Amino acid sequence: GAVVSQHPSWVICKSGTSVKIECRSLDFQATTMFWYRQFPKQSLMLMATSNEGSKATYEQGVEKDKFLINHASLTLSTLTVTSAHPEDSSFYICSARVGGTGAANQPQHFGDGTRLSIL
Amino acid sequence: KQEVTQIPAALSVPEGENLVLNCSFTDSAIYNLQWFRQDPGKGLTSLLLIQSSQREQTSGRLNASLDKSSGRSTLYIAASQPGDSATYLCAVRLVGDYKLSFGAGTTVTVRA
Repeated sequence: GAVVSQHPSWVICKSGTSVKIECRSLDFQATTMFWYRQFPKQSLMLMATSNEGSKATYEQGVEKDKFLINHASLTLSTLTVTSAHPEDSSFYICSARVGGTGAANQPQHFGDGTRLSIL
Repeated sequence: KQEVTQIPAALSVPEGENLVLNCSFTDSAIYNLQWFRQDPGKGLTSLLLIQSSQREQTSGRLNASLDKSSGRSTLYIAASQPGDSATYLCAVRLVGDYKLSFGAGTTVTVRA
């Protein structure tokens, strides 16, 4: 149980393109989803936290107009990298946490990540 | 701000040897600590989660210890196998916070 699916797994596109990444919880309802960014040989950095039906909370230094997050349902959150540039190339990973009573104490379940390469 | 450090950054051992991976954190007011495995180009798989009140957790060949007062956790992998080759990440959650602070990981290579 607790499977999180992320799509696409790899995308290559031209500079200036907008790219959408999907994160789905397949067998549970995820009130909260998290988006991380990971550079080679570095730790995961939290970009934003999204709660279903409300605006995402962005970490300091993350441009909310650059990285648009939508969490319209309990099983789907999307991250759109707008007008992507080569410096946006990275590995993006989402995670999801079950909802309900005691949700804050539940572990995060991670997707397989999306490798984004901007030419 | 919680700083999480993992040493060494990389480790190569022959098959059968025991692995010892270290994680240290600066703020001891943790809620829990979690060890993850990450294969190249993939997401994270949770291995062990230790609550702040616990000293260790075991799962098969894996054993993780926690010394909150000194800000350290150690992941032991017994009798390593080539399939254990991966990057191992530790992540810490502080009391009163939902966020995870990750270390940069230790990349393990087990030679057949």
